[in-house]
Amino acid sequence: KAGVTQTPRYLIKTRGQQVTLSCSPISGHRSVSWYQQTPGQGLQFLFEYFSETQRNKGNFPGRFSGRQFSNSRSEMNVSTLELGDSALYLCASSLALADDTQYFGPGTRLTVL
Amino acid sequence: GQNIDQPTEMTATEGAIVQINCTYQTSGFNGLFWYQQHAGEAPTFLSYNVLDGLEEKGRFSSFLSRSKGYSYLLLKELQMKDSASYLCAVRRNSGNTPLVFGKGTRLSVIA
Repeated sequence: KAGVTQTPRYLIKTRGQQVTLSCSPISGHRSVSWYQQTPGQGLQFLFEYFSETQRNKGNFPGRFSGRQFSNSRSEMNVSTLELGDSALYLCASSLALADDTQYFGPGTRLTVL
Repeated sequence: GQNIDQPTEMTATEGAIVQINCTYQTSGFNGLFWYQQHAGEAPTFLSYNVLDGLEEKGRFSSFLSRSKGYSYLLLKELQMKDSASYLCAVRRNSGNTPLVFGKGTRLSVIA
């Protein structure tokens, strides 16, 4: 069974631009969660989608948004990029519940210049 | 609030045993996960404890004490490849609240 895939793996953007990241969960998994990981803050929860609906949301500004499609694939978007948005963005999928065992993708390394 | 504490860094010698502690104070508790994350890679699931006691899986064991809000991950016969970050995460309720992660413990295994 294929694991969680994320594209792109690396991205360089400049301040003010926007970016869209993609995540394909493990086949059969319906819950997709997104995390931001930085050396100082660790893994911080962004949001979680289930059946195309946002079920949970972390404490991030409205510039961070996401969506989920009917095939459970998910995208997250960050608008008006800031230097502090440089981080590893991880997607995790689980069967159904937000707190089921989560399986992580390799992440997208975003650098904002 | 939700609070999960782990040591930031640890160093241990190849072949030795190391214990990585995790203490938590969360609104609700319904289980604790341990993940391993090598530098530049995704976290991978190691273990899940929901009842008190020790769960053993090969060289790795995980312990939970719910009354003390405490868990540890025990790694035996350390190998160089065990150098990684180890993340502790708490499941708060049986339902749809997201996991809460600690900041992780970076373990360096030296010869």
